[in-house]
Amino acid sequence: GAVVSQHPSWVICKSGTSVKIECRSLDFQATTMFWYRQFPKQSLMLMATSNEGSKATYEQGVEKDKFLINHASLTLSTLTVTSAHPEDSSFYICSARDLTDRGFYGYTFGSGTRLTVV
Amino acid sequence: KNEVEQSPQNLTAQEGEFITINCSYSVGISALHWLQQHPGGGIVSLFMLSSGKKKHGRLIATINIQEKHSSLHITASHPRDSAVYICAVRIKAAGNKLTFGGGTRVLVKP
Repeated sequence: GAVVSQHPSWVICKSGTSVKIECRSLDFQATTMFWYRQFPKQSLMLMATSNEGSKATYEQGVEKDKFLINHASLTLSTLTVTSAHPEDSSFYICSARDLTDRGFYGYTFGSGTRLTVV
Repeated sequence: KNEVEQSPQNLTAQEGEFITINCSYSVGISALHWLQQHPGGGIVSLFMLSSGKKKHGRLIATINIQEKHSSLHITASHPRDSAVYICAVRIKAAGNKLTFGGGTRVLVKP
């Protein structure tokens, strides 16, 4: 089945530094990748949608200069949290649309990245 | 009011019990997904439904498009089924984005 590999699984960084999170589709081409943020005991919140070769579409309230998304190839999308602050500490997870064997688009999720900014 | 509502929010069951989680939505959808999120955070897609019923092992998912309602059933529940189960819909007017329910936290006790 389709697999999305997300790295790192956890990261601790100092306030003011930048952190890059990678999501790779291992056995399919992900033309569309979604980036989510999740606070403890809350549901997923869509941050942005990235399409290969074009600029990401950000949801209302998400700072595009703070959360940089790059989707330069069909198998790799990255989210960079710039100048991280403690309030950016959260669980970040990506998801890619994949064409299932039966011709329907499903969604495959990465394993998530737990970011702690100290 | 959220477009996707799940109930219950929390559920505790004894091993072997039959579990039902409900999901109601208020908009036109092109598909409904049931997802499982384990304590470590990883999310697994369990089912994608646009009509009828699907079964995979001890899991059964049904959807009634007219009533805008879906259920996820777990038969012969096991402690390893303990997780958060999330209902998500692809709204027709919203392209490929998923809209999520609040999740149901399931704990199965041995």
